[in-house]
Amino acid sequence: AQKVTQAQTEISVVEKEDVTLDCVYETRDTTYYLFWYKQPPSGELVFLIRRNSFDEQNEISGRYSWNFQKSTSSFNFTITASQVVDSAVYFCALSLYGGATNKLIFGTGTLLAVQP
Amino acid sequence: DAMVIQNPRYQVTQFGKPVTLSCSQTLNHNVMYWYQQKSSQAPKLLFHYYDKDFNNEADTPDNFQSRRPNTSFCFLDIRSPGLGDAAMYLCATSRFQQGVDSPLHFGNGTRLTVT
Repeated sequence: AQKVTQAQTEISVVEKEDVTLDCVYETRDTTYYLFWYKQPPSGELVFLIRRNSFDEQNEISGRYSWNFQKSTSSFNFTITASQVVDSAVYFCALSLYGGATNKLIFGTGTLLAVQP
Repeated sequence: DAMVIQNPRYQVTQFGKPVTLSCSQTLNHNVMYWYQQKSSQAPKLLFHYYDKDFNNEADTPDNFQSRRPNTSFCFLDIRSPGLGDAAMYLCATSRFQQGVDSPLHFGNGTRLTVT
């Protein structure tokens, strides 16, 4: 069975602090995708990143960076110099390869509150 | 801009009164999904269409139905809403081509209230 765990329910930081959101996944499949989505108060899910299981390179995009470690089944997300606009719920998700069944298995989300 | 549009943003219906939520997309994606997200929970897949092929999740209640009359539109019908069906309903699309599926693009969601 597949499962995504986001142990941090809520995180509160002060603007300009760095913050890391943890994600641990479980799957017996060797090929899979991992995702991060942002859900601001307006409700839409905004795609941030997709990483396939063969690519363990870390990625940086502006203030965002992702650390993928298959050895620990983790795909953590770091926001550097956080801003108030980063306040949202962040979901980590897993999907398996094969067919048009992009079924995302979501974690329970981490609510990030960035205080001014 | 190409996007996924859900109408309405907020929908109120009475217990047992059928309701339809709509989703349209300008991305020309061949796969469309409906997710249900209850308060403070993760989104949960209800069903998806791959072109015209309908794929229901095993645990989706029969009360939930869907229609996809063309590539651009997809509807979620709740035949007899119960209080437990109050949730945010998220439509998403993706393009599946040559064995590769693009990331999902989500709409803004419709928040359903059942009174």
